[in-house]
Amino acid sequence: EIVLTQSPATLSLSPGDRATLSCRASRDVRTDLAWYQQKPGQPPRLLIYDASNRATGTPARFSGSGSGTDFTLSISSLEPEDFALYYCQQRASWPPLTFGGGTKVEIK
Amino acid sequence: QEHLVQSGGGLVEPGGSLRLSCAASGFRFGDYHMSWIRQAPGKGLEWVSYLSLTGATTYYAASVRGRFTVSRDNAQNSVYLQMNNLRADDTAVYYCARALYSGVLQNWFHPWGQGTLVTVSS
Repeated sequence: EIVLTQSPATLSLSPGDRATLSCRASRDVRTDLAWYQQKPGQPPRLLIYDASNRATGTPARFSGSGSGTDFTLSISSLEPEDFALYYCQQRASWPPLTFGGGTKVEIK
Repeated sequence: QEHLVQSGGGLVEPGGSLRLSCAASGFRFGDYHMSWIRQAPGKGLEWVSYLSLTGATTYYAASVRGRFTVSRDNAQNSVYLQMNNLRADDTAVYYCARALYSGVLQNWFHPWGQGTLVTVSS
């Protein structure tokens, strides 16, 4: 099973700041990685797939990068609606499909 | 608009059974692979099961294999999760989710159902 480790667990930032979230895989997942955003009481929403492709409706301030075992989700300038939980997910080797433990982006 | 609407769920005693349903609208349901994903209270996401276009192929997480069964009815545009021998650690919000694109298996999830809470407790 591929384990995804997200860091940091919590990111305390202000609106307008740049956010950098990390996801590290226990072995090579190529670019088979996605990012999801989840707000309280809502299902997750797909933001980025194939490591760097924005899903329909994902604002341009969100960008994904990386390949192999190290991936980054960047938010260039945080908007109030971006404060949420973020999860990475791999599909390179399954079953099982696996998710990271999540990073909470909170208002400082 | 593409929608997944879930039903079922609720409180069940340990060892009991429950069936979750997920009804699709706004797209050709039979063209998409489907999955179930759960989230225990205050915890992260855990993939539970996968179902192919026709239902011929299924996969399960080790934690539910042999107890849960996923199925679909393409004529009814619905996918189901039959959960038997439920345990306390099955307590979670369960989501159905569709593959992002039709046909090809890619295992990116969009859209998601609204989620339904399953509580296993005596």
